[in-house]
Amino acid sequence: GNSVTQMEGPVTLSEEAFLTINCTYTATGYPSLFWYVQYPGEGLQLLLKATKADDKGSNKGFEATYRKETTSFHLEKGSVQVSDSAVYFCALSSTGNQFYFGTGTSLTVIP
Amino acid sequence: KAGVTQTPRYLIKTRGQQVTLSCSPISGHRSVSWYQQTPGQGLQFLFEYFSETQRNKGNFPGRFSGRQFSNSRSEMNVSTLELGDSALYLCASSPTTSRETQYFGPGTRLLVL
Repeated sequence: GNSVTQMEGPVTLSEEAFLTINCTYTATGYPSLFWYVQYPGEGLQLLLKATKADDKGSNKGFEATYRKETTSFHLEKGSVQVSDSAVYFCALSSTGNQFYFGTGTSLTVIP
Repeated sequence: KAGVTQTPRYLIKTRGQQVTLSCSPISGHRSVSWYQQTPGQGLQFLFEYFSETQRNKGNFPGRFSGRQFSNSRSEMNVSTLELGDSALYLCASSPTTSRETQYFGPGTRLLVL
């Protein structure tokens, strides 16, 4: 079946630190992979996506590369800001548009 | 363009009651999906509607049902509420041209007492 596993949180970093949030997946076929972000009190927003192996998604300084050989889609940012504090969700979309989400990783960035 | 809107934003019910949640997708979007978000289980897919037809369904009991209207607005109904139904219910819409990109609403927070 399809599933997404992402690193447990919470993660606390100082401003300008390097961020990595690990995400691995299990899927049949060739899924698309996503990172969504949820700010306090809001719904999820699409952060970036990759639709095939070796694609790199990027947005707002965040990047993630679709690695088929390691079934991973790790989220990285070189220098986090306080405004990046949120919950980050890794997700995959299988055929038929059904989404599978990880449990979320809470990030707090302190000044 | 206005985003996905969900009403009500907060709801308190008691066990055994039923509840109906509403979702208005972004104008022009015909696909609407529903998710349940809880601290223990994370985000779980409930169902997806497209052009008034249920296209996908997650692994939830029959107490959870939904429908979609001709204007793409969708409702979700939960009957015979249980304490475990307390959750944030999220609705997401997708443009027909890019079904994989989902736009989420702010959610309805349901508390069952």
